[in-house]
Formats: sequence, C-alpha cells, structure tokens
Amino acid sequence: DAKTTQPNSMESNEEEPVHLPCNHSTISGTDYIHWYRQLPSQGPEYVIHGLTSNVNNRMASLAIAEDRKSSTLILHRATLRDAAVYYCILRGPHMDSNYQLIWGAGTKLIIKP
Amino acid sequence: NAGVTQTPKFRILKIGQSMTLQCTQDMNHNYMYWYRQDPGMGLKLIYYSVGAGITDKGEVPNGYNVSRSTTEDFPLRLELAAPSQTSVYFCASKGQVGTDTQYFGPGTRLTVL
Repeated sequence: DAKTTQPNSMESNEEEPVHLPCNHSTISGTDYIHWYRQLPSQGPEYVIHGLTSNVNNRMASLAIAEDRKSSTLILHRATLRDAAVYYCILRGPHMDSNYQLIWGAGTKLIIKP
Repeated sequence: NAGVTQTPKFRILKIGQSMTLQCTQDMNHNYMYWYRQDPGMGLKLIYYSVGAGITDKGEVPNGYNVSRSTTEDFPLRLELAAPSQTSVYFCASKGQVGTDTQYFGPGTRLTVL
C-alpha cells in the first residue's frame, strides 16, 4: 500500500489560514486521497477527499499537486475547535481494498488564541 | 439518526478474561469496521464486514473475533484478554459503493491489567 508522510505537529494562530501538507510519492493512479481529523477523546471524522482535481467543501479545501505526489489540506480560517490530529490517507480502488483505510500517525494541529 | 454507537465507553479487564465490544449503526450501512488505536498512533484495522454474514481480517486480527448477523450490529469479541490489547477501540461504518465517508463511533477505552 502506498504510504503518506505528514509533519508530526503544526501550530497556527486562530482566525488565520492553515495549510497541512501530505506527501505520497508512491501514490498509484487509482488511489484516492482522504483527510480525516480526530478531535481530543473522539472518534475520527471525515473532512474531505479527492482524486485529481482540487476539492472544496464547507469544512476545508484540498489542493492536489499536478503529479499527485503531494496534497495540502487548507483550513481557511482556523478556530480553536479545529485543534485536532489530521490524517492524510490513501485509499485504493474498491475491488482491491473494500474501502480499507491505512492510517499513519497524522499531524497534530495546535491553534493558538 | 444516532449514527454509530459503541458500548461500553470504558472497561477494565483482568488478563485472561473475555468480553464483547458492541457496535450498532442506524444508517443501514453495508460496510462496518473495527479499529484499535494505541497512544499517539494512527488507527489499525482489526476486522471488517461488507455486509451481513460476511467478515474478513484486517491488519491486526489476532486475539479478536467478529460476527455480523444483522446489518446494524457488528460486535467485536476479545477472548483471553492480554495487556497488549489495552487500547481504544473504534467502530466505523460506510454506506453503499460510490460513497466514501466512514462514520466513526465514540470509542471504547479498554485496559487489561
């Protein structure tokens, strides 16, 4: 399975944009890029996912490099409630993986008031 | 909808004891998953199910068993608990093919002494 590499932790100021990087240099053409986050003492929650094109939703934006070897999760205006561990995960096509997700250690995002 | 519910929230077991972690979802999802999360780590897949009556091993199945007699329930059984099974256990579910989001329960914190 292709792996992802993320920084262990990042800090940001409240109400500023946050760019969380993820490297996935061995990604295959059919791997989707997923982002989940885990608030303290809670189960993970879905944030966003994409394949090739940049994606936007109410929570965040996902910018995918043209060669797909890296991606960036963008929180446009971080709040204290966005303090969490953010996981970048690759998911293979359905028939190979049954939607299994392979989780790394993620990036701990610290928001400073 | 309650989403994915897990019981109990906390449990302490003695070495060699057995227990069942309960997981129920009310979203009529076919796919269900059991993960464990050790401190400071990402999630590891224990078992998963693609529908009632169908289960398969994940990355770390040893020491666990599952069953899926209904769409709603996916219990995880620990036989002969060991200290290495001290962890937080998360259950998740996912809808039909073509949807990608996994929905997680709040977790069960298990300590084996």
